[in-house]
Amino acid sequence: EAQVTQNPRYLITVTGKKLTVTCSQNMNHEYMSWYRQDPGLGLRQIYYSMNVEVTDKGDVPEGYKVSRKEKRNFPLILESPSPNQTSLYFCASSPRTGLAKNIQYFGAGTRLSVL
Amino acid sequence: KNQVEQSPQSLIILEGKNCTLQCNYTVSPFSNLRWYKQDTGRGPVSLTIMTFSENTKSNGRYTATLDADTKQSSLHITASQLSDSASYICVVSDTDKLIFGTGTRLQVFP
Repeated sequence: EAQVTQNPRYLITVTGKKLTVTCSQNMNHEYMSWYRQDPGLGLRQIYYSMNVEVTDKGDVPEGYKVSRKEKRNFPLILESPSPNQTSLYFCASSPRTGLAKNIQYFGAGTRLSVL
Repeated sequence: KNQVEQSPQSLIILEGKNCTLQCNYTVSPFSNLRWYKQDTGRGPVSLTIMTFSENTKSNGRYTATLDADTKQSSLHITASQLSDSASYICVVSDTDKLIFGTGTRLQVFP
């Protein structure tokens, strides 16, 4: 089954404790992206990757890191989480480098709480 | 500034009724407009995608329309079902970026 898998689904942590949210897709998609979703705001892009070893900042990259060493994986790293990073996070992938007509497939989401 | 605005913010209807959700955008250049359905606790799932030249597109009981001149889109849901209860997100793409609306929260009651 074609899917985007995020782990963990739920995470509670404390300020400053490094964490990684994993994302994996089995559709051989070149494009992958991370979003955060907060009440009253639309999804906002954190980072995206056009292909292996190619990553770029989205609209809200501060406090986050990503890597793309393999095509299928795109982990999101919070080196020193802060309470304002409490949010619902989504990973997404798309079949080609351009977004012009390509449907993005989303993971089920990771709900992160930073205390 | 590129923006996507949706209305209403929330909507309650009875099962079997029709409803229409609205999306206005100020995105340039325009590439396409998408409607996504997001169930509570799940990721968004694509319903329709329309380019500049397409006025309407259907997916089962969901019909999206696009007026590129007025920069407006609507999503019409026919004969609503309880499973239609979800958030519906309008997303507009320029050449390489997606701009998300904040969504309309639809609740369908029996």
